[in-house]
Amino acid sequence: GQNIDQPTEMTATEGAIVQINCTYQTSGFNGLFWYQQHAGEAPTFLSYNVLDGLEEKGRFSSFLSRSKGYSYLLLKELQMKDSASYLCALRRNYGQNFVFGPGTRLSVLP
Amino acid sequence: DGGITQSPKYLFRKEGQNVTLSCEQNLNHDAMYWYRQDPGQGLRLIYYSQIVNDFQKGDIAEGYSVSREKKESFPLTVTSAQKNPTAFYLCATAGFAPLPSQPQHFGDGTRLSIL
Repeated sequence: GQNIDQPTEMTATEGAIVQINCTYQTSGFNGLFWYQQHAGEAPTFLSYNVLDGLEEKGRFSSFLSRSKGYSYLLLKELQMKDSASYLCALRRNYGQNFVFGPGTRLSVLP
Repeated sequence: DGGITQSPKYLFRKEGQNVTLSCEQNLNHDAMYWYRQDPGQGLRLIYYSQIVNDFQKGDIAEGYSVSREKKESFPLTVTSAQKNPTAFYLCATAGFAPLPSQPQHFGDGTRLSIL
């Protein structure tokens, strides 16, 4: 199986840094992806990891540890517009389809 | 302008009726997917297709059907057998792995409600 867990909700302050965790149990995958989804809209791609380590893209970074079954998305210099749900997803080795976590709803407060 | 077009944006279904949601893409992606999202929930996979004339069931395929007659198109039919169809439906595409860095791209979604 590929159960994926994320915290349901998080709150942070404008200008701060927040880390959103994603844990999983899986027999194999070839990439871990992070998406942002504003209410009522489609998800948009943020970042991905194939190998262990940190990938940085501007204010967003994503980290993967395959041995620990763990990833996180790091958002720096939070802005009000970062209030959204954040979804992590694995791309299966077999079948090539994606499995999504339940998402974390982030609220950024002034 | 490259992208994924879903239509209609809003759709209402009467009791016992089948309805079809359209998804068209001009990204030249091989793989296409349909997801269902309920309020406050993550995405659940209904069907996916990696190549023309082939598709596989996802985790919640019952009450749904698809076809993939052209690379650009992957319509989803919500049949009368789907007793709780009210949800946000998202179509997505992806380039074919084994390039693992291929993320999914999403259409704007169709919101389906029961009349």
